[in-house]
Amino acid sequence: AQSVTQLGSHVSVSEGALVLLRCNYSSSVPPYLFWYVQYPNQGLQLLLKYTSAATLVKGINGFEAEFKKSETSFHLTKPSAHMSDAAEYFCAVSDLRGNEKLTFGTGTRLTIIP
Amino acid sequence: EAQVTQNPRYLITVTGKKLTVTCSQNMNHEYMSWYRQDPGLGLRQIYYSMNVEVTDKGDVPEGYKVSRKEKRNFPLILESPSPNQTSLYFCASSDRGDIQYFGAGTRLSVL
Repeated sequence: AQSVTQLGSHVSVSEGALVLLRCNYSSSVPPYLFWYVQYPNQGLQLLLKYTSAATLVKGINGFEAEFKKSETSFHLTKPSAHMSDAAEYFCAVSDLRGNEKLTFGTGTRLTIIP
Repeated sequence: EAQVTQNPRYLITVTGKKLTVTCSQNMNHEYMSWYRQDPGLGLRQIYYSMNVEVTDKGDVPEGYKVSRKEKRNFPLILESPSPNQTSLYFCASSDRGDIQYFGAGTRLSVL
């Protein structure tokens, strides 16, 4: 069975500082990995996805994530935090067949300090 | 505009009163799914459908029913809601091997 662990249910960073949200996965087959963002009172929006092409994946709003097989990690980063980045972020894993079943992590709420 | 539309957005009901949350997508997607989101638990899949008349249980199907009579619609049915079904519900759709698009959510309170 696949699973995802997000370290840190709450992360606070200062505006302009580096954002690092951690995600580790467990999968018996090469996974598809995703980061979704949820703004208050909204649905989930895809930030980026990894599907076994380049290990460094660039997404929207300046976010990127690096797939590290040896560490079973897919951490999300952004060089400089903006106030508009305040949201909840979910890491998710799917099996090799594609996105038909997503298994989500428990989420990380990101707060930006002015 | 590509959309997944859920209705209602907010619903307060009482224990045992049957309810239906509708979900409709305009992208001709084969795959549709229902998730519930609870604090500290993330999103968990309730049911999914690979195509019309093809549905299967997800991780937390107890107390829920679904149907897929048309490709665009995938309603979630709670025949006898209980307080432990108070949650935020999301519908999602996708094509095979493509990203999932999510609705805006339905916040359900069962008293």
